[in-house]
Amino acid sequence: QVRLQESGPGLVKPSETLSLTCSVSGGSIGNFYWSWVRQSPGKGLEWIGYIYYSGNTNYSPSLKSRVTISVDKSKDQVSLNLTSVTAADTAVYYCARADFDSTGYYEDYWGQGTLVTVSS
Amino acid sequence: IQLTQSPSSLSASVGDRVTITCRASQVISQFLAWYQQKPGKAPNLLIYGASTLRSGVPSRFSGTGFGTEFTLTIASLQPEDFATYYCQHHDTFPPALTFGGGTKVEIK
Repeated sequence: QVRLQESGPGLVKPSETLSLTCSVSGGSIGNFYWSWVRQSPGKGLEWIGYIYYSGNTNYSPSLKSRVTISVDKSKDQVSLNLTSVTAADTAVYYCARADFDSTGYYEDYWGQGTLVTVSS
Repeated sequence: IQLTQSPSSLSASVGDRVTITCRASQVISQFLAWYQQKPGKAPNLLIYGASTLRSGVPSRFSGTGFGTEFTLTIASLQPEDFATYYCQHHDTFPPALTFGGGTKVEIK
């Protein structure tokens, strides 16, 4: 059974960098996309970006200037860095595994999510 | 591409047939997925490719549609189905992922 676990600080100060790690177990990190999605309190789902296991990335246009997603195949981990955070970045952050085939793109395994609060 | 879900919320009773609509601002073929999210939990994939039921998902869930209009139907609503449902589309050029605004299914 594939399992994803997000980890990282739950509190980040404004203007600093939010850094999260997604640890993957029960399956290979290869041949899949690894996505980050966030959800502000009481709001809907917002895509942040994804990385293919080979390292190719795509980011949301609204966050592109501040986001970096990377993969460490040796550790089966995917990382998210979001710079210059503000209170608007307070959200639950999810990592997800995504597949992309003839039926399209879909995210079939998700981590439990981690709440990150931006506050001084 | 924008995805517009309707209604944004609905009240229904156990046993009811429930239909949620997702409209795309452009033709997206069959490239649409549906997720269920319960409070405090991560989203859970229900349907992909507009109509392919994920293994393990109860058969009371079904998806239809092609082009710009898609529906998620719950044939007979069960207590565990009260949740928020999201549609999702991945665009290829340029690569971008979009979620619908969500539909909250509440107990009547």
